[in-house]
Amino acid sequence: GDSVTQMEGPVTLSEEAFLTINCTYTATGYPSLFWYVQYPGEGLQLLLKATKADDKGSNKGFEATYRKETTSFHLEKGSVQVSDSAVYFCAPDAGGTSYGKLTFGQGTILTVHP
Amino acid sequence: DTGVSQNPRHKITKRGQNVTFRCDPISEHNRLYWYRQTLGQGPEFLTYFQNEAQLEKSRLLSDRFSAERPKGSFSTLEIQRTEQGDSAMYLCATIPRGGTQYFGPGTRLTVL
Repeated sequence: GDSVTQMEGPVTLSEEAFLTINCTYTATGYPSLFWYVQYPGEGLQLLLKATKADDKGSNKGFEATYRKETTSFHLEKGSVQVSDSAVYFCAPDAGGTSYGKLTFGQGTILTVHP
Repeated sequence: DTGVSQNPRHKITKRGQNVTFRCDPISEHNRLYWYRQTLGQGPEFLTYFQNEAQLEKSRLLSDRFSAERPKGSFSTLEIQRTEQGDSAMYLCATIPRGGTQYFGPGTRLTVL
């Protein structure tokens, strides 16, 4: 089945620092790829997605590029803010008739200090 | 608020008791998913429905777990004879045809 390996946290940064959270996956075929975010005390929210190779998903200053050759979908942001403190999850979609079934990584806790 | 609601939000029960959770999806979302999330881990897939049909169940879903989605609208997840290892956040998510998932706020279960 599908599996995901995410960069272990926690990650602690100062405001305006550059962020990278690594994500690699194994999957059958070419799944759609997602990053979800979970803010303290809140539910999971879709952050961004990419549906095919070389696609770049972006939202709220975050970006991730679907790299088929390295089966990676690393999350980046050029300048983090305190409000970005949250848990980030990488997740491929099983696709095909099982579309919508997500396999989540273990999550990366990000803490941003002023 | 994603439009997916779950009740109750918190449930504390004693070991051996039965519990039932409910998920109300966004209307016309044909697929509904249940996940379980334990502390410090990502959500794990449990089962999903397309309309009223349960199409897949994870091996994580033991015989003590049962899920239903009568009439293809709301769904219930029942756990019989709860064990301490069942303590977790139970998440529901729904998806429209060709769309992306919307997650509910979850039901946090604590088994004493």
